[in-house]
Amino acid sequence: AQKITQTQPGMFVQEKEAVTLDCTYDTSDPSYGLFWYKQPSSGEMIFLIYQGSYDQQNATEGRYSLNFQKARKSANLVISASQLGDSAMYFCAMREQNPPSGGYNKLIFGAGTRLAVHP
Amino acid sequence: EPEVTQTPSHQVTQMGQEVILRCVPISNHLYFYWYRQILGQKVEFLVSFYNNEISEKSEIFDDQFSVERPDGSNFTLKIRSTKLEDSAMYFCASILAGQVDTQYFGPGTRLTVL
Repeated sequence: AQKITQTQPGMFVQEKEAVTLDCTYDTSDPSYGLFWYKQPSSGEMIFLIYQGSYDQQNATEGRYSLNFQKARKSANLVISASQLGDSAMYFCAMREQNPPSGGYNKLIFGAGTRLAVHP
Repeated sequence: EPEVTQTPSHQVTQMGQEVILRCVPISNHLYFYWYRQILGQKVEFLVSFYNNEISEKSEIFDDQFSVERPDGSNFTLKIRSTKLEDSAMYFCASILAGQVDTQYFGPGTRLTVL
């Protein structure tokens, strides 16, 4: 079963508008973390925002905010005031509970959403 | 700001050849990972490495793959006999102990197998 689902293969938004990129996840672990990454055409993975499963408030980082609905198992990324430079692929990822042996678990990625910002 | 670096940025090789992809994680990080992304697809986990040994590996990480931290700074991924389907972007990532809220990725190495 897919652990991370991003149902929007592509989205477009007008410059200066807000856009929401959807992400739903599946885990039975009580402790997990959710991440969003931006991948521009140059290929690098740029970390945007993190939400821990026990965090009481939705995460925010500048123009990025994460709409975390734990009961629905969704972690949507909201980009406010879109800019042309926001055009990129966006990936949602999850880290499940860390192993008892120590260390940090791997990230599991969704298929991504390609965002196009139009002037 | 410290960053993960990877070399080379692009590697072209013939099928059957060995390749070594190099990563220099951030200096005080202790947990290291390799991921790969076939063109147009999602990022997939390959292997995690901690305390000089593999912590976890995926089904992709078969006997053709190996990882090493030879000198305390570099973290390498070796593919012994490359196949066409190994063509992908390979990302190295690292985590600082206690800092669970991010995972730093390197810029990636694009491997093309001809």
